[in-house]
Amino acid sequence: QKEVEQDPGPLSVPEGAIVSLNCTYSNSAFQYFMWYRQYSRKGPELLMYTYSSGNKEDGRFTAQVDKSSKYISLFIRDSQPSDSATYLCAMSGRDDKIIFGKGTRLHILP
Amino acid sequence: GAGVSQSPSNKVTEKGKDVELRCDPISGHTALYWYRQSLGQGLEFLIYFQGNSAPDKSGLPSDRFSAERTGGSVSTLTIQRTQQEDSAVYLCASSTGQTSGNTIYFGEGSWLTVV
Repeated sequence: QKEVEQDPGPLSVPEGAIVSLNCTYSNSAFQYFMWYRQYSRKGPELLMYTYSSGNKEDGRFTAQVDKSSKYISLFIRDSQPSDSATYLCAMSGRDDKIIFGKGTRLHILP
Repeated sequence: GAGVSQSPSNKVTEKGKDVELRCDPISGHTALYWYRQSLGQGLEFLIYFQGNSAPDKSGLPSDRFSAERTGGSVSTLTIQRTQQEDSAVYLCASSTGQTSGNTIYFGEGSWLTVV
């Protein structure tokens, strides 16, 4: 079993819809959870950072972490065509080694 | 600089040649990471530096790959005798290295094509 699993998509949704992106993981030592957005031919950029379980909201983005289920989610409200990108989850424990999911390709249809 | 800087941004090389990829991290960041991303694939961890030492080299795919970091700043990833399967984008990232706030910031990548 891979340490981090993420559905590669592509996921296509109409503009204005709520988008739900998810990752599962197997390493119970992970306690830092991140979401990155990557546009084509660009480096990943940090979107959200969460420590341990709980929710975090930033504008149209909400990150959720459920450590008991080893499951994390990113929700995007009022999705826009400019949100079309690849979204990568990432996580780490106390050893500074950060493990990424393969990324989900998201298309927002105008 | 303001962000992580990588060079070259694009490199086309012949199979069997050596290449060097350079990363200049965010000023003051002690941790530096190299990842590889092949077309349509996720980020593959290669190596991590804390200061000038590399506590985790587990991701280097073969002995043709090596990396060093000097002065706690610039890092160089070297690929010897390049093969076509080495074609990918090589991403560098840096962070403060504090496990209590461990987020990393990426450069734009070095896009390597081996022909």
